[in-house]
Amino acid sequence: DAMVIQNPRYQVTQFGKPVTLSCSQTLNHNVMYWYQQKSSQAPKLLFHYYDKDFNNEADTPDNFQSRRPNTSFCFLDIRSPGLGDAAMYLCATSRDGGYEQFFGPGTRLTVL
Amino acid sequence: AQTVTQSQPEMSVQEAETVTLSCTYDTSESDYYLFWYKQPPSRQMILVIRQEAYKQQNATENRFSVNFQKAAKSFSLKISDSQLGDAAMYFCAYLYNQGGKLIFGQGTELSVKP
Repeated sequence: DAMVIQNPRYQVTQFGKPVTLSCSQTLNHNVMYWYQQKSSQAPKLLFHYYDKDFNNEADTPDNFQSRRPNTSFCFLDIRSPGLGDAAMYLCATSRDGGYEQFFGPGTRLTVL
Repeated sequence: AQTVTQSQPEMSVQEAETVTLSCTYDTSESDYYLFWYKQPPSRQMILVIRQEAYKQQNATENRFSVNFQKAAKSFSLKISDSQLGDAAMYFCAYLYNQGGKLIFGQGTELSVKP
């Protein structure tokens, strides 16, 4: 089945230690999104790629970066995680920014 | 700025009964999309139903239907014949342009009592 896959599902890192979260998709969608969802809160968009064009949200901290080496993969890099970055990170895809976004299962990040 | 408000942090319904989740939004756009997403505990978010703003007819998907009131900027979700598997966090969301971002409400946690 076509899907959005996130690895790992659970990630533990130390304060200040760089971490990379991975997202892959078999839907062949050209738009990929990264959302941050803190406990009991709504998901908040960090950035998205429309094809190769990177679109950063104005309030996304500089600590967060992303890479998209090809259509299928997208990475979220957190350069120096702080305690406040502990959250669920959701990857989503869509075709041409169309009205349906397909979500992966998320990666739960713990910062010690 | 566009905002989405869900005023019910928690709702409860008896199995087989009907429940309505409320959502209001604010926008100056005329063309947009509205969605209800379901996020079960520890499981991924899935789309329940969507509504295009230009369509006057309310969307329905099996037991799920919406009441879309464009002038009032209201978009409620009705779940009929509630099932135990409907228990989840429900998010109302707004998409204001193609390729743009989904703006989510705060969520309503629905519990279903057997």
